[in-house]
Amino acid sequence: QVQLVESGGGVVKPGGSLRLSCAGSGFTFSDYYMNWIRQAPGKGLEWVSYISSSGSAMYYADSVKGRFTLSRDNAKNSLYLQMNSLRAEDTAVYYCVMVTANGLDYWGQGTLVTVSS
Amino acid sequence: QAGLTQPPSVSKGLRQTATLTCTGNSSNVGNQGALWLQQHQGHPPKLLSYWNNNRPSGISERLSASRSGDTASLTITGLQPGDEADYYCSAWDSSLSAWVFGGGTKLTV
Repeated sequence: QVQLVESGGGVVKPGGSLRLSCAGSGFTFSDYYMNWIRQAPGKGLEWVSYISSSGSAMYYADSVKGRFTLSRDNAKNSLYLQMNSLRAEDTAVYYCVMVTANGLDYWGQGTLVTVSS
Repeated sequence: QAGLTQPPSVSKGLRQTATLTCTGNSSNVGNQGALWLQQHQGHPPKLLSYWNNNRPSGISERLSASRSGDTASLTITGLQPGDEADYYCSAWDSSLSAWVFGGGTKLTV
């Protein structure tokens, strides 16, 4: 079955960097668009970024544009989010989400990023 | 990015019917329709309904979705304790090239 497993979260100081990874299995990874969607503690869902199946197109929320970079390695069935210049407001659980014809269909369990001095 | 509008909370009794609403605009809900997601505390969201009234396999027939113009609705009949959760609507916004979300509705049964 489809599995998405995020890793790389942790505690980082403001201005620091972190790289999140998402490993996909149980499906042909290279066929699907992928997203990162985050949820701050006690808050709602916020779309962060998505990447096309080939990796040729990426889109970012205004709140992270210029600071976050999304990439993928289809040979390794993996998705990456490089996060630089982190701010306190980036503190959230980050979910890796697969897009199918049904929309935001499959979600990972999430990885927690905490930005704090 | 502009979001969708959901009421913060809805409270209903056991076996009653709850209708949750989600209002967007012609670039998102009014364009391609909405998704509905359910999230229980401590768990990732789960897709309940896509593109207005399509249910993934395994989703209860007690759930039905609809759309009228720029407003989407999710109706849950025969409410059970397990339906108590946060419900989010989402849509692809063609003018923003972004997924947009509602702020979520906390359903209390």
